[in-house]
Amino acid sequence: GQSLEQPSEVTAVEGAIVQINCTYQTSGFYGLSWYQQHDGGAPTFLSYNALDGLEETGRFSSFLSRSDSYGYLLLQELQMKDSASYFCAVSPLKETNAGKSTFGDGTTLTVKP
Amino acid sequence: DAGVTQSPTHLIKTRGQQVTLRCSPKSGHDTVSWYQQALGQGPQFIFQYYEEEERQRGNFPDRFSGHQFPNYSSELNVNALLLGDSALYLCASSLGDRGWETQYFGPGTRLLVL
Repeated sequence: GQSLEQPSEVTAVEGAIVQINCTYQTSGFYGLSWYQQHDGGAPTFLSYNALDGLEETGRFSSFLSRSDSYGYLLLQELQMKDSASYFCAVSPLKETNAGKSTFGDGTTLTVKP
Repeated sequence: DAGVTQSPTHLIKTRGQQVTLRCSPKSGHDTVSWYQQALGQGPQFIFQYYEEEERQRGNFPDRFSGHQFPNYSSELNVNALLLGDSALYLCASSLGDRGWETQYFGPGTRLLVL
């Protein structure tokens, strides 16, 4: 099976940079995804890493280290609208469990003025 | 381009009843996954449908069943409802056997079981 750990809460100020970590334990691993969810809303895809390294998409970047079973989401130039829950999700080996994603319990980010 | 749509948005049922939730995938997508999200937790994978067949299933009892139609829309059925089934039910669509890494979620159906 799979399990993921991420901090439950993070607080930062507007304009700052924040990093949300995710460590995972899995019997088979294909990739790590990140989703944003505002209160009462649908999760929105942010980023995906299948290979080690950094993926950059605008203000958001995601990093993966397969050898360390670790990844993080980096949010730069924080804005008030970034206040939301952020989930990491593991995708298992495609050949055996395609689509069977496992999500962490989420990190609530609060951006203060 | 319509995104993922779900109906109804909210639903109240009593224990023992049955419920059917509906999902239409994003235009061009052919794969639908269903998730249950309890308050304060991440989405939990229920099952995924592709080519009208259940392709993968999470750790949910047989009371949870589904269906995918030729137009790729999908239904989630839950029988013999329990109080613990109260949650936000999310549908996510993707494309083919690679697209599941990037899933597009619908707004969800909030189910309350009394």
